[in-house]
Parts: sequence; structure tokens; C-alpha cells
Amino acid sequence: GAGVSQSPSNKVTEKGKDVELRCDPISGHTALYWYRQRLGQGLEFLIYFQGNSAPDKSGLPSDRFSAERTGESVSTLTIQRTQQEDSAVYLCASSLELASGELFFGEGSRLTVL
Amino acid sequence: KQEVTQIPAALSVPEGENLVLNCSFTDSAIYNLQWFRQDPGKGLTSLLLIQSSQREQTSGRLNASLDKSSGRSTLYIAASQPGDSATYLCAVDSGANSKLTFGKGITLSVRP
Repeated sequence: GAGVSQSPSNKVTEKGKDVELRCDPISGHTALYWYRQRLGQGLEFLIYFQGNSAPDKSGLPSDRFSAERTGESVSTLTIQRTQQEDSAVYLCASSLELASGELFFGEGSRLTVL
Repeated sequence: KQEVTQIPAALSVPEGENLVLNCSFTDSAIYNLQWFRQDPGKGLTSLLLIQSSQREQTSGRLNASLDKSSGRSTLYIAASQPGDSATYLCAVDSGANSKLTFGKGITLSVRP
């Protein structure tokens, strides 16, 4: 596609529910990244994919968070048993190759946990 | 652990003014540094990318400089316009894998 696409753009959920956030990277981009932006905080790295594999999961905040990528394309970030502190904007980015430099970001998925 | 600081958190200037946004980082062993722009409710747009071997990059009215040894970068905006109003984020790649460390950003308001 023309840019990085994320869905849903907004999600309101109740504490304890599971949520799935989707990212469609730019076609042909082999590297994909998830970041989180909480109110008043800087962006936090969560996880990156090189192809379909995730060499570094160190940024995931807890074992309630998981992510996968298939077909070297779409990625899904899943948050199980959501907590209020999970409320944030979740941003996805892609780049042509790992360490190619320029990242292209989607507009994010705003998650609100009540 | 790399830390990126942007001060001040907010800046308001009259239209037409030239301005400098500052970014500092604690570990000088970086792969590259990027400046992004974020409009309210939107994602990030990459403005300039400076590789560790470079001193500066220019795009239109924007110029970014990098001084690795002192752990500093500046984003210079010439002849500011109201459309430049946004949050400007500095981010450092320390591991050559685009696992970026971001500053909290500077929210710029350019008054007509």
C-alpha cells in the first residue's frame, strides 16, 4: 500500500478483555516495528520483526503482550487481560530493511481501557 | 542505557522567526539520529535522518546537525510558519536495528 495502515484507529475496551491491533506495512518492507506512546511519555519500543521473526522481544511490557507477523506482511499485536495502564497509542512502523534508516509510521491505534 | 532529552517541552514563537530545537543523548555510540514531526492525533513523519558519519542534513527550511562527541543534535527551522506548529521528536538508533530511543518531544506553536 501507499503507507503504513493500522486498525482500529480507536478502541475502547473494558479492563480484563483481550484486544488485537493490526498493522499493514508498506509493501516490500521487510522490517516492522511496534512502539507505544503513553500520555506525557516518550515513545517506547515494544518489538521488531525482520521478515516474520522477532529477534528482540525485550520491549514487551509483560507476558500479556504478544505479537506475530505472517507472510512478511501484516502484523498483529495482542494484549491479553487488558489493564488501565495499557491505555496508549500503539504505533507501527516499517522500513525497507533492518537498519536501512528511515522509518515510516502509521497513524496509530488509540487504546483506552476503562 | 541510552537516554534522549529534549528541552524545553514547549516553545511558542511568532511567525517568521528562525528557531533551534535541541536534542541531547547520553551514549555517543549511535548508528543514526532522526528528527520526526507529529501532528495531534497523527503518526510520525520522518523529517531528517543523519547517519553517524554525517554532520548535518538539510531539507528545505530544515537543517539538522549532529555532534556525536558531545551527544547533541539541533534542528534548525528557518522562517517559521504557522503550519510548522507540531511536536518535534528526536530519536536515536544505538544498535543499527532501528530500535529507536525517543525524546519526549518539543511542542512548537508558531503564532501568526
